[in-house]
Order: sequence, then structure tokens, then C-alpha cells
Amino acid sequence: DTAVSQTPKYLVTQMGNDKSIKCEQNLGHDTMYWYKQDSKKFLKIMFSYNNKELIINETVPNRFSPKSPDKAHLNLHINSLELGDSAVYFCASSQGAGQPQHFGDGTRLSIL
Amino acid sequence: GESVGLHLPTLSVQEGDNSIINCAYSNSASDYFIWYKQESGKGPQFIIDIRSNMDKRQGQRVTVLLNKTVKHLSLQIAATQPGDSAVYFCAEKTSARQLTFGSGTQLTVLP
Repeated sequence: DTAVSQTPKYLVTQMGNDKSIKCEQNLGHDTMYWYKQDSKKFLKIMFSYNNKELIINETVPNRFSPKSPDKAHLNLHINSLELGDSAVYFCASSQGAGQPQHFGDGTRLSIL
Repeated sequence: GESVGLHLPTLSVQEGDNSIINCAYSNSASDYFIWYKQESGKGPQFIIDIRSNMDKRQGQRVTVLLNKTVKHLSLQIAATQPGDSAVYFCAEKTSARQLTFGSGTQLTVLP
């Protein structure tokens, strides 16, 4: 059973397109996150939701919009993709904010 | 083998030796710390955690040491195995709601 699953695993698309990444967790956790990992493996938090409510919104371009339809799902929509958006995006969840996080296996986004 | 985190992001050790991965954290008010392991193509996985009221915690083949005086955290891996090859991250709880990750150290186990 995959605890945190995100789709797709790979996403290759043209600059200027709009794309979405989906995330689901079956751990019963209250809090979900999106992270961006760059080519140097640096992990930076983008957003965090607790019980469908946005609690962390780091300095991220407003082209990125998270949506949490329920506490088991946190999707990430990206408009007008740019070259600099190329990275691996990780979804994670935890039982409460600031607690150990369980990560998905990432979505590798490549912008052509 | 031993790394100093940001200054030596790569650590190579012989199989069977002990590894020490270091991390300097930023916030003296941080009260909770976690070590994660990230294998190639996977997401980070929880290894071990420690609260600021402790200075040492042991798991299976791993030990975390916390020195609050100098804001330093280390992960010791005993008898390093090929399966230990990965990127290791320390994370500190910098606020009630957020963990902040360090820059990571690539551990390579040599045969």
C-alpha cells in the first residue's frame, strides 16, 4: 500500500503550458505539503494545508495554485510554465503540522 | 568517514566502516530535529528524530547526537552498507507549523 502517492511520476511539457500534479495520502494525516527540490537536492517548502486550510504559503509565484478537495488530497496546478519550474516536486503528509513527514516519490517536471 | 554538511556535501566510506554525517542548524529555538534518507528516484524517508531535551538517541545502526551549544546535529551510521548510499537531510522544527530542511549530504559506500 502506497502511503503518499503522486501522479504523474514524470511530466515533460512545453513552456507556457498549464499542468497539474495530484497527490493522495491514505495515512489519515491532517496536514499535507508541497516541496520543490532543485538540481542540487535542496528541498524548499511551497505550501502546507491542515484540514483543507492553507497554513503555509511561502514566496511562490502565483502561477502555482494548490487545491485541497479533502484532507487526503492536495493537488498542485501550475499555469504558464517556465524553464525555471523544472524540478522534482514532492508531496508529503504528517499527523499535525511540524511533525515527521511522509513523502511521495516525487514528480519530475521538465520544461522544454 | 565524516562530512561537515554544507562544506563537504559528498561523503565516501568503505563498506563496513562507520559514517558520520554532520548538520549545522540555524535556529537556537528549534526544539525538534529529524534525519531523512533519500534514495535515488525516491522521496525522503524518516530515519530518526530527537527532541532538544535529549543529546543522544539511538536506533538500529543509527545514532543521532545533538549539541545545542554549537547548534550541531550529527547522524552516525554503524557498519555502513551499500544500501546506505543515499542523500541524507537534517530537518529542524523552526516553528510550530514547519520543518526546515538542510542542504543534504550524499553518502557513497565503496565496496
